[in-house]
Amino acid sequence: ETGVTQTPRHLVMGMTNKKSLKCEQHLGHNAMYWYKQSAKKPLELMFVYNFKEQTENNSVPSRFSPECPNSSHLFLHLHTLQPEDSALYLCASSQAGGPYEQYFGPGTRLTVT
Amino acid sequence: QQQVKQSPQSLIVQKGGISIINCAYENTAFDYFPWYQQFPGKGPALLIAIRPDVSEKKEGRFTISFNKSAKQFSLHIMDSQPGDSATYFCAASMAGYQKVTFGTGTKLQVIP
Repeated sequence: ETGVTQTPRHLVMGMTNKKSLKCEQHLGHNAMYWYKQSAKKPLELMFVYNFKEQTENNSVPSRFSPECPNSSHLFLHLHTLQPEDSALYLCASSQAGGPYEQYFGPGTRLTVT
Repeated sequence: QQQVKQSPQSLIVQKGGISIINCAYENTAFDYFPWYQQFPGKGPALLIAIRPDVSEKKEGRFTISFNKSAKQFSLHIMDSQPGDSATYFCAASMAGYQKVTFGTGTKLQVIP
């Protein structure tokens, strides 16, 4: 595997379900990010991790819970989501100390029913 | 002040033509301006980037023009090809901050 991978690619979940998104980067980076991409809106930064430590939480509701066990893996745990949370969730990585070149995964298309 | 305004929202260009996408920003602390290209079903990919100490950067058919006084920058795609059909995002960031501010995107369609 190369670059940034994300699983699953598609997810449909009910509002009472609990699910997790997984991201893995194979680039030797030490910063990882979660973004939300909705139609006709700018990419929204959700969380930033540097060397496994969360350094940014962009006022994200607590129904989204990130986890970064090491510099290569990032999870987004989801519970009691709302239909407006339906979006493409993108993971990215970069070298810490600069956001200058972020490498994105293909995203997980999430639909909340 | 953190916004990056991007236009147009969509663009149709004939094969061989020039595609031009414009962005404007307010925060003069921004010091790095990347452009990302996103194909359907894929994440954004870094295409080309510029710093404000140069007015133009060219990589193949892609050129960024930067106007520091006007706080504007643009992407020009020369000899546009159907394979260039994608959504393009401008972005801006500043040293010491890990946030990248993205524009709303431009959906480019290059027709034969």
